[in-house]
Amino acid sequence: DIVMTQTPLSLSVTPGQPASISCKSSQSLLHSDGKTYLYWFLQKPGQSPQLLIYELSSRFSGVPDRFSGSGSGTDFTLKISRVEAEDVGVYYCMQGMHLPLTFGGGTKVEMK
Amino acid sequence: QVQLVESGGGVVRPGRSLRLSCTASGFTFSDYGIHWVRRAPGKGLEWVAVISHDGGKGYYADSVKGRFTISRDNSKNTLFLQMDSLRVEDTAVYYCASPATPNGYLDYWGQGIRVTVSS
Repeated sequence: DIVMTQTPLSLSVTPGQPASISCKSSQSLLHSDGKTYLYWFLQKPGQSPQLLIYELSSRFSGVPDRFSGSGSGTDFTLKISRVEAEDVGVYYCMQGMHLPLTFGGGTKVEMK
Repeated sequence: QVQLVESGGGVVRPGRSLRLSCTASGFTFSDYGIHWVRRAPGKGLEWVAVISHDGGKGYYADSVKGRFTISRDNSKNTLFLQMDSLRVEDTAVYYCASPATPNGYLDYWGQGIRVTVSS
């Protein structure tokens, strides 16, 4: 199974400031079709998870452009250009390269 | 508008069974493989199982293989998860999730249903 490792475990951010979360995979997520099967989700308190970023860097429908995904191979980053109060919750990366789908351990984002 | 609604959760003793359902609307259910994902208390997300669009194939996490069975009824736009030989560590909120495109994975999620396994 592909192991996904996220850092940091938690992040305290000031509204309006940038934030970034790192994710590493134990195997390359670059497929022969040219796509990188790395996804980012946010689970806000009391809500279901929601997809933010698919295939490394594409924003899902309705996701604000302050969220961006980048990276390659086995190293990935989610960046929030200017954090807003509604961005609090737990962020997860996930690989879609092979079954079983596997998630990182999560990064809890809180406001200062 | 895509909607996924889980039902069937509850409190059950270890070793017993429970069947979860997920009713879908707002998309062509029979076109997509559908997933179950869970989140145990104090832990992160864990993928549980997926079933192919026609119900012909199911794939499972090692933690549930041999105990859980995923199935679907495309005539009723409904996904199922039969959970047998339940363990305390199966306690979690269970979500069904569907792709938005044939190549997607977990684009849309239900609201989740709580399963508690306790003696």
